[in-house]
Amino acid sequence: ETGVTQSPTHLIKTRGQQVTLRCSSQSGHNTVSWYQQALGQGPQFIFQYYREEENGRGNFPPRFSGLQFPNYSSELNVNALELDDSALYLCASSLGQNQETQYFGPGTRLLVL
Amino acid sequence: RKEVEQDPGPFNVPEGATVAFNCTYSNSASQSFFWYRQDCRKEPKLLMSVYSSGNEDGRFTAQLNRASQYISLLIRDSKLSDSATYLCVVRGNNAGNMLTFGGGTRLMVKP
Repeated sequence: ETGVTQSPTHLIKTRGQQVTLRCSSQSGHNTVSWYQQALGQGPQFIFQYYREEENGRGNFPPRFSGLQFPNYSSELNVNALELDDSALYLCASSLGQNQETQYFGPGTRLLVL
Repeated sequence: RKEVEQDPGPFNVPEGATVAFNCTYSNSASQSFFWYRQDCRKEPKLLMSVYSSGNEDGRFTAQLNRASQYISLLIRDSKLSDSATYLCVVRGNNAGNMLTFGGGTRLMVKP
């Protein structure tokens, strides 16, 4: 296993609600990236955190936000949930912002009804 | 046009067959290239990096053609355990170490 953990594993929400997903990076890794994977598609980059600062963002609206804590764990927050937000949310940790090898956690499967 | 394009498949092959997947990417400034494997309802896992000179890891061979912006993966002597979705992944020269994934190619190896 990669040593990257995510919680919860599954979550059901309704439209308009807010959700917080959590990720603990591999020991020693200071960079966390978040991805959204809709059914039947490849993961899409949401944003990356490096040493508690956002360090790059994909094409996602501002209602997707995040945090990284001093221990390098991270949260992904999504406000005003929409049906299309239903997806597998993956976090990946790496050592340094330019390290090529990213280690993925098992993901959180979010269903928005 | 998607940044990274792959044939979604599925590719249904018998055990022992050789199968090849292709992928094209649109950003000529892309710096690094990878193949990831994703099993059903699991996270993606790095299969191998792809280098311009081509590289091999056991039964797996990856090739990169920068001029054509084309990446390939060849699997020889397919095993049942090779059944998975194979994701072509590209990293550009941008902040955030952003990986751009293709949609994946599904492989099913049958006995």
